[in-house]
Amino acid sequence: GAGVSQSPRYKVAKRGQDVALRCDPISGHVSLFWYQQALGQGPEFLTYFQNEAQLDKSGLPSDRFFAERPEGSVSTLKIQRTQQEDSAVYLCASSPTGQRNSPLHFGNGTRLTVT
Amino acid sequence: QKEVEQNSGPLSVPEGAIASLNCTYSDRGSQSFFWYRQYSGKSPELIMFIYSNGDKEDGRFTAQLNKASQYVSLLIRDSQPSDSATYLCAVNRVNRDDKIIFGKGTRLHILP
Repeated sequence: GAGVSQSPRYKVAKRGQDVALRCDPISGHVSLFWYQQALGQGPEFLTYFQNEAQLDKSGLPSDRFFAERPEGSVSTLKIQRTQQEDSAVYLCASSPTGQRNSPLHFGNGTRLTVT
Repeated sequence: QKEVEQNSGPLSVPEGAIASLNCTYSDRGSQSFFWYRQYSGKSPELIMFIYSNGDKEDGRFTAQLNKASQYVSLLIRDSQPSDSATYLCAVNRVNRDDKIIFGKGTRLHILP
């Protein structure tokens, strides 16, 4: 079966541009997570959805970051007015249960470079 | 103290030897522990999870958990060059929000 799919694979944005990153989780997976991974670091939590409900957005670094999952499947992470410090790999992960401590299945990530 | 701590490495191990990767965590109430492998430029891949004290074996991999010492380790037997990767330890943070927190990872290099 298909795994977690993310697009685009790479994104180059000029500082100040808005970007939208897409995540298509494994079919039927209830939980969806977004993580940010800087070079040489572990993934840092951004936000968590259970179906269409965003239950935790405590990791979003600023109000320029916005995530949605309107129908409980595909999710979009939007970053407005991108800054150089936003350059990172953005990882999406899903899990079949509604428990946020279940094993995660990661997508291949979107590498964002802000110039 | 960081929530999940790992030695960043690199840890160099001869091919065929046992690689031992260690992780400590700060939340005494943590109940779920994971090891992910991440190849350069790729996404993390789950290789082991453990919930109870003791050892859990899966092929060449053994996860060891000691909750009293707040310590979890991963042993890789008969190390192969294909095991060269960064290994991420992840733990759920029970005392706040139950979310999974990752360490920075240990880079493992298997010497042919």
